[in-house]
Amino acid sequence: DAGITQSPRHKVTETGTPVTLRCHQTENHRYMYWYRQDPGHGLRLIHYSYGVKDTDKGEVSDGYSVSRSKTEDFLLTLESATSSQTSVYFCAISDREEETQYFGPGTRLLVL
Amino acid sequence: GENVEQHPSTLSVQEGDSAVIKCTYSDSASNYFPWYKQELGKRPQLIIDIRSNVGEKKDQRIAVTLNKTAKHFSLHITETQPEDSAVYFCAEESGGSYIPTFGRGTSLIVHP
Repeated sequence: DAGITQSPRHKVTETGTPVTLRCHQTENHRYMYWYRQDPGHGLRLIHYSYGVKDTDKGEVSDGYSVSRSKTEDFLLTLESATSSQTSVYFCAISDREEETQYFGPGTRLLVL
Repeated sequence: GENVEQHPSTLSVQEGDSAVIKCTYSDSASNYFPWYKQELGKRPQLIIDIRSNVGEKKDQRIAVTLNKTAKHFSLHITETQPEDSAVYFCAEESGGSYIPTFGRGTSLIVHP
């Protein structure tokens, strides 16, 4: 599955706590993305990266931050988790030639 | 990309029937149109894609057609089988942006 992993795969946390999700790739792809998936909304882009230390906001970036210090890792941080951030989070990667998105296995996050 | 409308949101067919899912977009600069299949509890995976210089592309039982004038593209699945049951997402991407915009998904149910 395109050498992309996410950790943790499941997490339960409480409102107000910080949470960091990790995406790791072994494909050396330039582009990395974080999406959230909620019923009726499809896949919505949170943040994306087009290179080490190069990131930008997506359509639902409020309450989230990202960092990419190495090509292979893209971190998504919820500084202070809220119940509205309960969702399934998918990381994806792509390269300039293919444009196809390859998705990680997803992380189920429950904020109580 | 700006906006992608996907219809229907749910599609129920009998095994052996054909299924058609349609997406419309608004960005004239869109030139890459992938389709992803997501089985229950799994990650989305590319099943077929088309670029703006082609009107139709086929791969065994699945095909995608593109009408750039009308700004819509469609997924066609023939001789549906129960294993085709999944959520299907269309997406569009403007040339060189590497930021896809996804439709909200179609839940296809194939009854044996």
